[in-house]
Amino acid sequence: EDQVTQSPEALRLQEGESSSLNCSYTVSGLRGLFWYRQDPGKGPEFLFTLYSAGEEKEKERLKATLTKKESFLHITAPKPEDSATYLCAVQAIRSGAGSYQLTFGKGTKLSVIP
Amino acid sequence: EAQVTQNPRYLITVTGKKLTVTCSQNMNHEYMSWYRQDPGLGLRQIYYSMNVEVTDKGDVPEGYKVSRKEKRNFPLILESPSPNQTSLYFCASSTLGTSGRAGELFFGEGSRLTVL
Repeated sequence: EDQVTQSPEALRLQEGESSSLNCSYTVSGLRGLFWYRQDPGKGPEFLFTLYSAGEEKEKERLKATLTKKESFLHITAPKPEDSATYLCAVQAIRSGAGSYQLTFGKGTKLSVIP
Repeated sequence: EAQVTQNPRYLITVTGKKLTVTCSQNMNHEYMSWYRQDPGLGLRQIYYSMNVEVTDKGDVPEGYKVSRKEKRNFPLILESPSPNQTSLYFCASSTLGTSGRAGELFFGEGSRLTVL
């Protein structure tokens, strides 16, 4: 069974205080790892997809990295508008039905204090 | 504007009263999916569809039905709702990526359902 564990559950940062969110996963084979951002009362919004260990992607203050066991979402000099819940999801390598299914973690709630 | 539209956004109903949550997307996506989100449990997939007339169960399908008669629509049906189906529901759509890779999911705004 695929498992995705995100830590910490909640994180409070001062504005400008850089940090990282962790997503560790257990799958038989990884086809892709996804990061989403979710604001209160809204649907998740896509951030990144990573496919292989060593891959990195950046967007503004966010940088996602991937190893064979985990992914990190690094937030550099965060601003209050970065406050949200960040979700990690994995797609396992499967054939046939269910091959496009994603397994989501429970998320990390980030609060950035001015 | 590319979007996934769900209705209703909020609904309070009683046990056993059939209801349908509609979902429509305007991006010509093949893949559509329903999720429920509960505190402490995260997002869990209910049903998904890879194309018209092709649907399959996700991780928590009990008590739900879906249909995909048109590419743009993917309604979620609760034939006899029960209180344990009180939840926040999201519809999502995406392309089917190359080499079996999942595409970027576009989510609706969510439908908050309360079953009394």
